[in-house]
Amino acid sequence: AQSVAQPEDQVNVAEGNPLTVKCTYSVSGNPYLFWYVQYPNRGLQFLLKYITGDNLVKGSYGFEAEFNKSQTSFHLKKPSALVSDSALYFCAVRPSSGTYKYIFGTGTRLKVLA
Amino acid sequence: DVKVTQSSRYLVKRTGEKVFLECVQDMDHENMFWYRQDPGLGLRLIYFSYDVKMKEKGDIPEGYSVSREKKERFSLILESASTNQTSMYLCASSLSAGGAQPQHFGDGTRLSIL
Repeated sequence: AQSVAQPEDQVNVAEGNPLTVKCTYSVSGNPYLFWYVQYPNRGLQFLLKYITGDNLVKGSYGFEAEFNKSQTSFHLKKPSALVSDSALYFCAVRPSSGTYKYIFGTGTRLKVLA
Repeated sequence: DVKVTQSSRYLVKRTGEKVFLECVQDMDHENMFWYRQDPGLGLRLIYFSYDVKMKEKGDIPEGYSVSREKKERFSLILESASTNQTSMYLCASSLSAGGAQPQHFGDGTRLSIL
């Protein structure tokens, strides 16, 4: 079965420190990969996506993500965390053929401490 | 910017009622989706639609139906509401059937069934 795993329910990081939110996937072929952020009482907002090419993808609000095909991972990173980055982050995968569906991870709560 | 509007932010209904959740998008997107979001479970797909009057079941369609009479509007119907349908409901849209199009989300409807 196709799946997306976010192994950490919560990540705590001090303001100004680099942050990483992990995502691994089990999907056949060459899927499309996404990160979304959700602030309290809001819907999900698109941050960035990987289609093909450079393994480091840059997105909104200074976030970037590193794709690793051999490890089937797509980790979200930011060089210097802000308190305002505190939110719920979702990794999502869309198979490149055969379905319209997006497969979401269970989410990781990021807490940036002042 | 794409706007996905869900008609209610908060809704309280009684067991056995028929409940309608409405979603409208303003960017002529072909695909629309309904998810429910529960803590620790991430987003689970209820139904999606890839064209007017076309729909497909997602992962948890039981107890729900949908309607898409016009391209911009996608309605979720709880035929006979039950307490286990208390949840956050998220509507999303995306531009086309395939490819790496990100989804655009509404702000959600927090539904309580008493």
